[in-house]
Amino acid sequence: EDQVTQSPEALRLQEGESSSLNCSYTVSGLRGLFWYRQDPGKGPEFLFTLYSAGEEKEKERLKATLTKKESFLHITAPKPEDSATYLCAVPNSGGGADGLTFGKGTHLIIQP
Amino acid sequence: DAGVTQSPTHLIKTRGQQVTLRCSPKSGHDTVSWYQQALGQGPQFIFQYYEEEERQRGNFPDRFSGHQFPNYSSELNVNALLLGDSALYLCASSVNRGVSADTQYFGPGTRLTVL
Repeated sequence: EDQVTQSPEALRLQEGESSSLNCSYTVSGLRGLFWYRQDPGKGPEFLFTLYSAGEEKEKERLKATLTKKESFLHITAPKPEDSATYLCAVPNSGGGADGLTFGKGTHLIIQP
Repeated sequence: DAGVTQSPTHLIKTRGQQVTLRCSPKSGHDTVSWYQQALGQGPQFIFQYYEEEERQRGNFPDRFSGHQFPNYSSELNVNALLLGDSALYLCASSVNRGVSADTQYFGPGTRLTVL
C-alpha cells in the first residue's frame, strides 16, 4: 500500500528562521513527487514536481529536493506570508492513472 | 486563462439526501480527479476520469459516483449522504501523459456540510 508520511505535523518559526519539512514515501515505482501549499479553506496550490532522485527545484524562498526514500522542502528566511499547510503527494502505484496519495501535511506558522 | 473552477462553493444537505458537485478543468487539460479532504487531513483520492471513463478509484463506496462530459468537465455525485461525508471536495485537472505523472492543478473546492 502506498504511504506518505510528513513531519513535523506542525512547526512554528520566527521570521527569518530557516528550516526543513520532511516527506517520506513508500510506493512501488515512483513516477513523481508533488509539493503543494494550502491556505485554510482553499484548494492546494501547486509548488513543485520532482521526478528523480537528486533532482532539486527552487522558487523564491523554497527549495525542494528528492532522494529515493524522501523529499525535503527547505524554507530559507521565511516571511509571515509563508504560513500555510504544506502537502506532499505521490501518484498511486499501478501505472496509467495518476490518483495521488497525500500526506497529512505540515502546518507551518511564521511569526513576525 | 481560467484555472480549475468548481460549483457550488458551499452546500448544506441533510442525511439521506443526494448531492451533485461540478468541476471545469483548466484549458487544455483532459483528465479530472476528485478528492475528499476532512478537516486537518490530507486530501483522499476518490476517482479519476479520462476520456469520459472512470480510470482509477480510491477506497470509497459506490455511493460516490461521477461522470465526465465530452468537454472534459466533470460531476461528482454522492447518494444517501452521511454525517461523515461532510468535507471539502476538491477537483483537480491534468493532462494524460502516459508513463510519468503530470501535475494536477486544484480548484478552490466545494465545502459540503451534512446535517
